[in-house]
Amino acid sequence: EIVLTQSPATLSLSPGERATLSCRASQSISSYLAWYQQKPGQAPRLLIYDVSYRATGIPARFSGSGSGTDFTLTISSLEPEDLAVYYCQHRTNWPPSITFGQGTRLEIK
Amino acid sequence: QVQLVQSGAEVKKPGASVKVSCKVSGYTLTEVSMHWVRQAPGKGLEWIGGFDPQDGEAIYAQKFQGRVTMTEDTSTDTAYMALSTLRSEDTAVYFCATLFCAGDCYPGYWGQGTLVTVSS
Repeated sequence: EIVLTQSPATLSLSPGERATLSCRASQSISSYLAWYQQKPGQAPRLLIYDVSYRATGIPARFSGSGSGTDFTLTISSLEPEDLAVYYCQHRTNWPPSITFGQGTRLEIK
Repeated sequence: QVQLVQSGAEVKKPGASVKVSCKVSGYTLTEVSMHWVRQAPGKGLEWIGGFDPQDGEAIYAQKFQGRVTMTEDTSTDTAYMALSTLRSEDTAVYFCATLFCAGDCYPGYWGQGTLVTVSS
């Protein structure tokens, strides 16, 4: 079973700063990783898929990178509305399952 | 664009069952692969199960096997997730989500969530 470990647990930054969120897989997952943003009281929203592709309507300040076991979500210049919990996610074909990281809480000062 | 609308909040007693619905619009249920994810209060996201995009078979997380049943009514484009033998730890918001497939498939479109509270 693949485990996704996110760090840090909480990140507190000011508007305009750069945010770097990490997701580490317990074994290689090639280039199949997604990132989600969940704002308080809302459903998760797909931000990034296949490591580095932005989903429809996602601003260019969000970018993803990595391969193998180490992945990064970068928000280049924080906006107040980026306050949220961010999750990474991977799907395994066998045994079939969907795994989420435990999340990184992004606080805006 | 897929839109998913879920049924309303439920309050159940321990040992009871709950059935949550998720109506699809914008696409038909036969065109999507439906999955279910839950989130306990203040906790992270936990996958419950869904339909394999390759063969359409229902697949369940091991933790829920024997207690969860996922069904679909294609005449109304409505998916259902039933969870039995409820306990207090099942108190959570339950989300339906359809897969978005590119290089791989990911839960791309989400319902608004249904709060299920299990309390005596």
